[in-house]
Amino acid sequence: DSGVTQTPKHLITATGQRVTLRCSPRSGDLSVYWYQQSLDQGLQFLIQYYNGEERAKGNILERFSAQQFPDLHSELNLSSLELGDSALYFCASSVISSSYNEQFFGPGTRLTVL
Amino acid sequence: DAKTTQPTSMDCAEGRAANLPCNHSTISGNEYVYWYRQIHSQGPQYIIHGLKNNETNEMASLIITEDRKSSTLILPHATLRDTAVYYCIVRVVEGNTGKLIFGQGTTLQVKP
Repeated sequence: DSGVTQTPKHLITATGQRVTLRCSPRSGDLSVYWYQQSLDQGLQFLIQYYNGEERAKGNILERFSAQQFPDLHSELNLSSLELGDSALYFCASSVISSSYNEQFFGPGTRLTVL
Repeated sequence: DAKTTQPTSMDCAEGRAANLPCNHSTISGNEYVYWYRQIHSQGPQYIIHGLKNNETNEMASLIITEDRKSSTLILPHATLRDTAVYYCIVRVVEGNTGKLIFGQGTTLQVKP
């Protein structure tokens, strides 16, 4: 158990819909990262927040957005869903916003878009 | 971050050492070598990292060649639970935000 929690575990929805994925980082971790893992693209970095502010952006679509709240939990919002958005979405956390610290990953949310 | 090359897959007998190679010939002086693994659709797990000296922890050992152009992750006594995809990542530490850029990794199959 990494200490990072993600809800829900599974999500099934239809094309065109909007969903919200939630992540609670490990106690004391200020930085949250979101990653997407699909069969054809592998594990891809989406976005990072540090203490409530966006810190780095990766291959995140404009239809996707994220935020980190004052209690440090984070939400990833996916809208106008397409079949290709079906993937595993992982959240990770680390103590600070630095490459030196290891990241702890949550169990992931499996999104299926029908 | 420097590009890495890893074999697509490897097999290892249970109880034997698993040696996973990684080539990073374009590594810069300020780039570290990190290893993570992912066990069947679980979240990736940090294993070890190093700059130029060999490193060891309770999970594995990391051997980095003197010219730092390649490294080997060693699992000393592989078990069936070590079957996973192993990712070698090279990245700058100072001034980096911390994001991980994953390649395709090596799928290690530990066989009884």
